[in-house]
Amino acid sequence: GESVGLHLPTLSVQEGDNSIINCAYSNSASDYFIWYKQESGKGPQFIIDIRSNMDKRQGQRVTVLLNKTVKHLSLQIAATQPGDSAVYFCAENRHSGGGADGLTFGKGTHLIIQP
Amino acid sequence: ETGVTQTPRHLVMGMTNKKSLKCEQHLGHNAMYWYKQSAKKPLELMFVYNFKEQTENNSVPSRFSPECPNSSHLFLHLHTLQPEDSALYLCASSQTTGPVNSPLHFGNGTRLTVT
Repeated sequence: GESVGLHLPTLSVQEGDNSIINCAYSNSASDYFIWYKQESGKGPQFIIDIRSNMDKRQGQRVTVLLNKTVKHLSLQIAATQPGDSAVYFCAENRHSGGGADGLTFGKGTHLIIQP
Repeated sequence: ETGVTQTPRHLVMGMTNKKSLKCEQHLGHNAMYWYKQSAKKPLELMFVYNFKEQTENNSVPSRFSPECPNSSHLFLHLHTLQPEDSALYLCASSQTTGPVNSPLHFGNGTRLTVT
């Protein structure tokens, strides 16, 4: 089966609330993880990445958490805004030290913002 | 402006037609990629070029033929496609395919419909 996956295909949150999108992976050798955002009619847009030697990394309104013990990755979006509506998917690099051509993508979670 | 430009945005073709998709990146990257994105499926890597040399052909049928004349341009030549080839075709670029130190940058894709 697919090693990079999402717990929920759709996530609905109220505007202003925090959103948490989850991703599971199964390969312990994966050493690099990325979150992408894809809006309707557009290509995936890089949000944030994290290496396996870190547990947490913060960006602007976003935080990625990596739990290597349970092979779990999450993306937290603070104070969700209407512009955050999109499909979010994670990607892992299964080849330790490998390049961008080794990325495996999940199917994605559709984040819906309720007014 | 994504830095990676794809044309056309939409393409409808019959199974006997020959068409080409074009991708151009303005980021100074050396690696370029073709991905296929089908509904409810993860991104599928098709081809990888690094410094104009093809480094990966991910078991793609011969009716898809890539061409990379230089590090900034990438083409996907299409002929005798099948209806199941209908999908969003995404072009991406990265600094190189070496150890990941820059994520993939995607274009907005070409929505292909095969009739």
